[in-house]
Amino acid sequence: SQQGEEDPQALSIQEGENATMNCSYKTSINNLQWYRQNSGRGLVHLILIRSNEREKHSGRLRVTLDTSKKSSSLLITASRAADTASYFCATDDGGSQGNLIFGKGTKLSVKP
Amino acid sequence: GAGVSQTPSNKVTEKGKYVELRCDPISGHTALYWYRQSLGQGPEFLIYFQGTGAADDSGLPNDRFFAVRPEGSVSTLKIQRTERGDSAVYLCASSPQPGTGVHNEQFFGPGTRLTVL
Repeated sequence: SQQGEEDPQALSIQEGENATMNCSYKTSINNLQWYRQNSGRGLVHLILIRSNEREKHSGRLRVTLDTSKKSSSLLITASRAADTASYFCATDDGGSQGNLIFGKGTKLSVKP
Repeated sequence: GAGVSQTPSNKVTEKGKYVELRCDPISGHTALYWYRQSLGQGPEFLIYFQGTGAADDSGLPNDRFFAVRPEGSVSTLKIQRTERGDSAVYLCASSPQPGTGVHNEQFFGPGTRLTVL
């Protein structure tokens, strides 16, 4: 079953604009991760935020986590055409096994 | 290469046939995961190996699916009597340490696209 739900399902913006994607989840977690996927193949890890963290930055990426609302957001600033991809949030289930629970993803299209 | 590799990249088979999908994790990674991704969906967990043993196989949809990792490195996902509904991209990921829940970034392979006709 899928835990995370990304919003919006699809997002189209112009190069240079910021892109914001949201994710909601259902159970307690140890951490939340964001992944990127090009062309429906391998996923690339972008950033991990722990449950005791509220905000994290990595280059043009900014992730927030609100455990009281069970939600997270991914902000990509100054987007580029190369950012065009699907973005997924993934959570663990609060246990110790480490298997990830993914949402359905947001399909981002950045137009040059 | 240094990344996770999966073979074949594409597999087309007929309904009822048996298939094997292979995953080569990053050297030294003890944790290995299999996921399945259907079109328009996020990956769904199938099975997790810690070393040679399957620590969690709760995601396997039925007993037609089986996976092994006999030497704690390469893993093979086996599907018997394939059905059209098995068509999906099968993704493998590895992690340098067990899923402690604190830091478990996973490194994904490019996937195997399975098509069952």
